[in-house]
Amino acid sequence: EIVLTQSPGTLSLSPGERATLSCRASQSVSSSYLAWYQQKPGQAPRLLIYGASSRATGIPDRFSGSGSGTDFTLTINRLEPEDFAVYYCQQYGSSPLYSFGQGTKLEIK
Amino acid sequence: EVQLAESGGDLVKPGGSLRLSCAASGFTFTNAWMSWVRQTPGRGLEWLGRIKTKTKNDGGTTDYAAPVKGRFTISRDDSKNTLYLQMNNLKSEDSAVYYCTLLRAYNFGAWGQGTLVTVSS
Repeated sequence: EIVLTQSPGTLSLSPGERATLSCRASQSVSSSYLAWYQQKPGQAPRLLIYGASSRATGIPDRFSGSGSGTDFTLTINRLEPEDFAVYYCQQYGSSPLYSFGQGTKLEIK
Repeated sequence: EVQLAESGGDLVKPGGSLRLSCAASGFTFTNAWMSWVRQTPGRGLEWLGRIKTKTKNDGGTTDYAAPVKGRFTISRDDSKNTLYLQMNNLKSEDSAVYYCTLLRAYNFGAWGQGTLVTVSS
């Protein structure tokens, strides 16, 4: 079973700053199978990044994903007030077929 | 625009059953792989299972996560553009918000708003 560990648990930043969120897998994950989601309070998660680095439809270009193997990163440049939320990484392919990290909360400093 | 609307969440006693529905619109449901995901404060996001299309190649095949295999059943009615989750022998740890999702390749491309299931005596 692949376990995804996200860090930090909470990240406190100010609007305009850059956020760097980490997702580490316990075993190698194909880049094609790594995705990132954003969840705001009271809302469902929303797909941000798929294939480790491709933005989903309508996602601003200040969001970018990178990484390979066991280490993946979500970067958010020039934080906007609406970017403060919880972010999850997700992998496909190993039992269970789909699994999520525990999330990183991005809060306003 | 893709829209997914879950319904059927309720308070149910341990050992009871419940069926959730998900009405889909804005895409060709017949051609879509669908999935259920749940969320709790303690366990976070948890994939429950998926159902493929009823085409000859996919055959409507289902796959389940270990914690729900044998208790939960996913089905679809393509004539109604509706996805179902039949949950039997419910336990307290099944209390969660349940999301219907549209599977897009290897990820969850769209989500419903969720429906709350509470299992308690």
